[in-house]
Amino acid sequence: GQNIDQPTEMTATEGAIVQINCTYQTSGFNGLFWYQQHAGEAPTFLSYNVLDGLEEKGRFSSFLSRSKGYSYLLLKELQMKDSASYLCAVMDSNYQLIWGAGTKLIIKP
Amino acid sequence: GAVVSQHPSRVICKSGTSVKIECRSLDFQATTMFWYRQFPKQSLMLMATSNEGSKATYEQGVEKDKFLINHASLTLSTLTVTSAHPEDSSFYICSARDGSTHTGELFFGEGSRLTVL
Repeated sequence: GQNIDQPTEMTATEGAIVQINCTYQTSGFNGLFWYQQHAGEAPTFLSYNVLDGLEEKGRFSSFLSRSKGYSYLLLKELQMKDSASYLCAVMDSNYQLIWGAGTKLIIKP
Repeated sequence: GAVVSQHPSRVICKSGTSVKIECRSLDFQATTMFWYRQFPKQSLMLMATSNEGSKATYEQGVEKDKFLINHASLTLSTLTVTSAHPEDSSFYICSARDGSTHTGELFFGEGSRLTVL
């Protein structure tokens, strides 16, 4: 079956760095997405990786290793507004998105 | 980025009534839109794929007669929850893929929170 695993919850301190991991097992691979979702709101796009390596976009970076079925989202200089759920999703061979359950990130002052 | 608008954002209705939720792509054409349901503290669950000009494709376990989807144009898809019951109370979110982007990125509507009394 298809499976996306990510931690349920993480806690970090304002100004620090946090890494949210995502491992996946899917039928085929056409890219991995990270979305941010604040409570009660719709998800917003953060990043897309289809090739191995690190993609940097401001304070957020996303890494992919296709051979390991592994990705991480790295958040630097954490701000209180970064408190949200972070969803990992993989597009399979049928171009369907398989969603992880999300990681709730709690930022403490 | 592309904009997807969803309406209404909140709706409260009595049990047994029907509720229609609209999803519009404002600045791009979307031949395919997706409808999700999200219960508290859970991830998105794909309900159905809405295809312009044809029948929607429903995920296993989703009743197509209860959740009616109509994708009448390239910019509008509607989800109608028929004979709603309290267990249908949830956050419903639509999304669309802008085919002109190479990433296949999904753009989400603002979501509609349905409360059935």
